[in-house]
Amino acid sequence: QSALTQPPSVSGSPGQSVTISCTGTSSDVGTYDRVSWYRQPPGTAPKLLIFEVNNRASGVPDRFSGSKSGNTASLTISGLQAEDEADYYCSFYTNINTFLFGGGTKVTVL
Amino acid sequence: EVQLVESGGGLVQRGGSLRLSCAASGFMLSSYTMSWVRRAPGKGLEWVSSSGASGTTTFYADSVKGRFTISRDNSKNMVYLQMNSLSAEDTAVYYCAKRDGGTYFDRWGQGTLVTVSS
Repeated sequence: QSALTQPPSVSGSPGQSVTISCTGTSSDVGTYDRVSWYRQPPGTAPKLLIFEVNNRASGVPDRFSGSKSGNTASLTISGLQAEDEADYYCSFYTNINTFLFGGGTKVTVL
Repeated sequence: EVQLVESGGGLVQRGGSLRLSCAASGFMLSSYTMSWVRRAPGKGLEWVSSSGASGTTTFYADSVKGRFTISRDNSKNMVYLQMNSLSAEDTAVYYCAKRDGGTYFDRWGQGTLVTVSS
């Protein structure tokens, strides 16, 4: 199975909203809700943001939201803040007990 | 508090071996599937391997199958990754991650850097 497709970068001004897409296929993202999202600021470990498409992890602000349409899952960050600058990854748990990751999206706050 | 602390990384020559360790605390290791995920320089995250709660079921990415072995000692709260026949493509920060609900990683360690020199 191939990796998931994410845009390399997105940017926005403080207070704006940005959306990161994560495109799979009808065999994975399009059929199952096993999509999760992680944030990784520079030099730190990844941290879970969203699981099973649209469930926020404990302690994650409601500025972060997940959704899915067809073969594409999306992460939206509302009210963008300087601290949101990081790399963001989507992930999918497959039927053969493996994980696919997207290539990552760098979020820049202008 | 859940903590995962990796160790064992370092510089190794191509074709060499290395064993990574992950010390788990703050939760009952024997109840959870554990995984290793890596991030190569300038690249994204890549799932490497998973071990079921008892250690009897293991899964590997095609890129490491036959070279890496995941294991665990629940009595010592430890997870391991034995890496053999290392190549430059294995250079990465290796993270230990706890799986929750089966479909996502709810806790990650800080990572340990493995550098394979040619």
